[in-house]
Amino acid sequence: DSGVTQTPKHLITATGQRVTLRCSPRSGDLSVYWYQQSLDQGLQFLIQYYNGEERAKGNILERFSAQQFPDLHSELNLSSLELGDSALYFCASSPRGRNGYTFGSGTRLTVV
Amino acid sequence: DQQVKQNSPSLSVQEGRISILNCDYTNSMFDYFLWYKKYPAEGPTFLISISSIKDKNEDGRFTVFLNKSAKHLSLHIVPSQPGDSAVYFCAASARETSGSRLTFGEGTQLTVNP
Repeated sequence: DSGVTQTPKHLITATGQRVTLRCSPRSGDLSVYWYQQSLDQGLQFLIQYYNGEERAKGNILERFSAQQFPDLHSELNLSSLELGDSALYFCASSPRGRNGYTFGSGTRLTVV
Repeated sequence: DQQVKQNSPSLSVQEGRISILNCDYTNSMFDYFLWYKKYPAEGPTFLISISSIKDKNEDGRFTVFLNKSAKHLSLHIVPSQPGDSAVYFCAASARETSGSRLTFGEGTQLTVNP
């Protein structure tokens, strides 16, 4: 157990739908990162939050949004889902930036 | 624009021999490099890192070498063990331009045969 909890582990939904992925960071970590891993590709950075505020944005589609709540858990919202959104979505947390990243076990999203 | 590339999708070695995983990068602003290991159904786990002020970092069986002029790094595992079989991701970051975000390569599947 890495200490980073992601729910749900698996999600199957239809095109056009909206889903919410949840991440609870390791205790004490203020930064939360979201990454997407599509088939046979590396992890693509989506967005970072630090202590409730958006810190950095990567290749995140406009149909996707995220937030970090006062208790530091984060949610990634994916809307108007397309087949190409099927991927593994990983959350990571760290106490202070690029050192000490800890990843959760991911949410596998399948859009049918 | 793939700034971090792992050109070998897979690598197979015999137990006890050396495994060498390679990674190339294009962004000269990268100043910190990491290797992660990933087992199926698990998230990536941190393995070893190196700062651009060094050219080598060693941790037990794992050594990372950095060649800044060639924009190339490699991970050596000696001796390789069957439990090392996993996908290995190279990652890089550039503090000045992107803070703590990591840019990952596509990964290399390492298989260590008993």
